[in-house]
Amino acid sequence: SQTIHQWPATLVQPVGSPLSLECTVEGTSNPNLYWYRQAAGRGLQLLFYSVGIGQISSEVPQNLSASRPQDRQFILSSKKLLLSDSGFYLCASAITSKNIQYFGAGTRLSVL
Amino acid sequence: GQQVMQIPQYQHVQEGEDFTTYCNSSTTLSNIQWYKQRPGGHPVFLIQLVKSGEVKKQKRLTFQFGEAKKNSSLHITATQTTDVGTYFCAAPMTTDSWGKLQFGAGTQVVVTP
Repeated sequence: SQTIHQWPATLVQPVGSPLSLECTVEGTSNPNLYWYRQAAGRGLQLLFYSVGIGQISSEVPQNLSASRPQDRQFILSSKKLLLSDSGFYLCASAITSKNIQYFGAGTRLSVL
Repeated sequence: GQQVMQIPQYQHVQEGEDFTTYCNSSTTLSNIQWYKQRPGGHPVFLIQLVKSGEVKKQKRLTFQFGEAKKNSSLHITATQTTDVGTYFCAAPMTTDSWGKLQFGAGTQVVVTP
């Protein structure tokens, strides 16, 4: 089965600072990868998805970007964080033949 | 576009009681999935339903897919404190072939001892 590693678990950043969250996947190759954001007590908002190295699709216009430099590595970045970027960021992986998604433990980001 | 709606948004349950949460789609679904997110945790896949009218059980949890494949339900029997969390249903986006899922807003379950 797949294992999704995300770090850090928590992060406090000042407004205007850069961001880099990393997600790596074990136990599968060529997965579809996803970044979600979850506001407190709310549902999951899909931010980015990727079907292969260097292939990124954005779901919503925002202050964030994503990259996939290796098959099982997915990075979420920002050049300058906004207060509204605070939230719980989740990385998910799915094998291409199935829709089932496996989530990492997430990163709680607080922008102050 | 496709919408996946869950009701209720919140569910307060006395320990030992049963309850049901519902998921409704505006379109016919190829399959539906259920996930559970414990407080402070991440969503964890529970089950996938594919066939019309399908019923699957996991211990005290019973999942059902509607005959028209546009709705699903999760019924929990004899609720325990370990059932606390938010339950999400999710369905493949009909216009997409890249495995994207449309998640419902979730049902947050609170169990009173």
